[in-house]
Amino acid sequence: SAVISQKPSRDICQRGTSLTIQCQVDSQVTMMFWYRQQPGQSLTLIATANQGSEATYESGFVIDKFPISRPNLTFSTLTVSNMSPEDSSIYLCSASRQTNYGYTFGSGTRLTVV
Amino acid sequence: GDSVTQMEGPVTLSEEAFLTINCTYTATGYPSLFWYVQYPGEGLQLLLKATKADDKGSNKGFEATYRKETTSFHLEKGSVQVSDSAVYFCALSDQNGSARQLTFGSGTQLTVLP
Repeated sequence: SAVISQKPSRDICQRGTSLTIQCQVDSQVTMMFWYRQQPGQSLTLIATANQGSEATYESGFVIDKFPISRPNLTFSTLTVSNMSPEDSSIYLCSASRQTNYGYTFGSGTRLTVV
Repeated sequence: GDSVTQMEGPVTLSEEAFLTINCTYTATGYPSLFWYVQYPGEGLQLLLKATKADDKGSNKGFEATYRKETTSFHLEKGSVQVSDSAVYFCALSDQNGSARQLTFGSGTQLTVLP
């Protein structure tokens, strides 16, 4: 299965600033996703990162707040914009070639906004 | 829509005890089913999967059988170890969905005592 390198692994940011999280996959994948995991909670899908086109956002998440890029089949970024303490969470990217193969996850970015 | 219902935790067991974590699902199509494990401070790792009815996924002594008649995918292990302490997530991917993202259960925290 694919291996994902996600960075940064953690960061402490000032409110009102932005942070860009990167995910690099070691092979081409058809699907990439971004999730948020709030402390002690399950994973919530933010958006599907589409190669060469705009991401598909889930209800409650908007492009202005969480812009996503996916310039090719191995790389994607998620930006958390104009951060507030409520954005403190773990952000994870995920990738898959096909549903039957399973989904690989990055190690996560633990974000604290102060 | 799709949903996954997991046995609520936390679950605390003694070493070598038998483990069952219940998982049931609702899906419109013929989903693939997954168990993921998250160790403290880490991302998610695929534990096992099953892609069609009656399939049994297994890995590291864990097993789960895809039961279409009861819409269940319960996780079992005959003898747990302290190193199995983690959060376990049941998830599905509905193969009829266009985005094919994972839908997660709420997670079950397992603590194994020596």
